[in-house]
Amino acid sequence: DTGVSQNPRHKITKRGQNVTFRCDPISEHNRLYWYRQTLGQGPEFLTYFQNEAQLEKSRLLSDRFSAERPKGSFSTLEIQRTEQGDSAMYLCASSLMALGEGEAFFGQGTRLTVV
Amino acid sequence: AQTVTQSQPEMSVQEAETVTLSCTYDTSENNYYLFWYKQPPSRQMILVIRQEAYKQQNATENRFSVNFQKAAKSFSLKISDSQLGDTAMYFCAGDWGSNYKLTFGKGTLLTVNP
Repeated sequence: DTGVSQNPRHKITKRGQNVTFRCDPISEHNRLYWYRQTLGQGPEFLTYFQNEAQLEKSRLLSDRFSAERPKGSFSTLEIQRTEQGDSAMYLCASSLMALGEGEAFFGQGTRLTVV
Repeated sequence: AQTVTQSQPEMSVQEAETVTLSCTYDTSENNYYLFWYKQPPSRQMILVIRQEAYKQQNATENRFSVNFQKAAKSFSLKISDSQLGDTAMYFCAGDWGSNYKLTFGKGTLLTVNP
């Protein structure tokens, strides 16, 4: 399967713990996006990478959140000191071209539950 | 602020019939892109159709077509000859010129009944 891969698919953690999610984009895609989707809502933009550069970070991402994309390949999203409000589906997407010119391909997401 | 509104939380349609999903949006931009995405149960989101705001002609992709009314800021999706595999959550989304950031609506859950 050459689609966008996200790991783990599910994560249950206790409040206050740190968690890290991984996204492997489609190999030739230089653009990578993270979104968060809570129950009953559409996805909300979190951050955008072009190659290894993080070009925008949403105000939704508090200081507890950090995303990286070393060497412009896979990306990680870390949440420190998790809170119950962090429970959501975290979606990763990648594209070869800008959204107006090409298609963003989404992964199946990582579902985080904070207990 | 740019917003996307989907006023139909749920819809159902009989197999082989036609259904239209509504979407309205608000933006002050003149050049933007609109999208419909499909999210099947426990599957990843996939792009259904895309519309460039500067194009007057409505986009079509096989059984899927849009009715884009720029002045009214309306962007509805028509699914013809509905199939059981069309059962999914459908999201309307806009890119208001950033070329990387999508604003999604809350989605419409479409169920196709046999």
